[in-house]
Amino acid sequence: AQSVAQPEDQVNVAEGNPLTVKCTYSVSGNPYLFWYVQYPNRGLQFLLKYITGDNLVKGSYGFEAEFNKSQTSFHLKKPSALVSDSALYFCAVRAHNYGQNFVFGPGTRLSVLP
Amino acid sequence: NAGVTQTPKFQVLKTGQSMTLQCAQDMNHEYMSWYRQDPGMGLRLIHYSVGAGITDQGEVPNGYNVSRSTTEDFPLRLLSAAPSQTSVYFCASRPGTGGSYEQYFGPGTRLTVT
Repeated sequence: AQSVAQPEDQVNVAEGNPLTVKCTYSVSGNPYLFWYVQYPNRGLQFLLKYITGDNLVKGSYGFEAEFNKSQTSFHLKKPSALVSDSALYFCAVRAHNYGQNFVFGPGTRLSVLP
Repeated sequence: NAGVTQTPKFQVLKTGQSMTLQCAQDMNHEYMSWYRQDPGMGLRLIHYSVGAGITDQGEVPNGYNVSRSTTEDFPLRLLSAAPSQTSVYFCASRPGTGGSYEQYFGPGTRLTVT
């Protein structure tokens, strides 16, 4: 079965500093990986995905993620954090069952401090 | 486009009551899904549909029913509400086979069962 781990419940970073939100996955075959963001009282919004190709994927709002097959990781990064980046971040992997739906990690709350 | 819409935004039920959470999308997406979000557990798939007239169970289907009579609508029915169903419910849609795998989420329904 496929699974996603986000080892940090909470990440705190100062505004202007680089940020990293960690994700590791377990799935057979080639993974399809995603990051979503959830702002308070809102639905999830798509940030970026990795399906194939370059291991460094660029997405919305200046975010990027690095796919590392040997470490089965897909960490989310941003060179310079903004206070407005404070939100809940979810990593997800496409499942092989459930109509190729998605398995989500537990989420990481990012707080960017002014 | 309105995207994915959900009603109601909030609902309080007593144990044993039934209700239907509504979900509609205007993007002509084939795939639709219902998730529940609980603290520290990410999103878990309840039911999904790969097209009108086709539905199937996800990871946590017990206590819920769905139907998909049209491409646009995918209601979720709680048959006899239990306190364990207190959660935030999200509906999502995406294009079918050959699409981008990017899911579009509704704003959510916050359900409390007393």
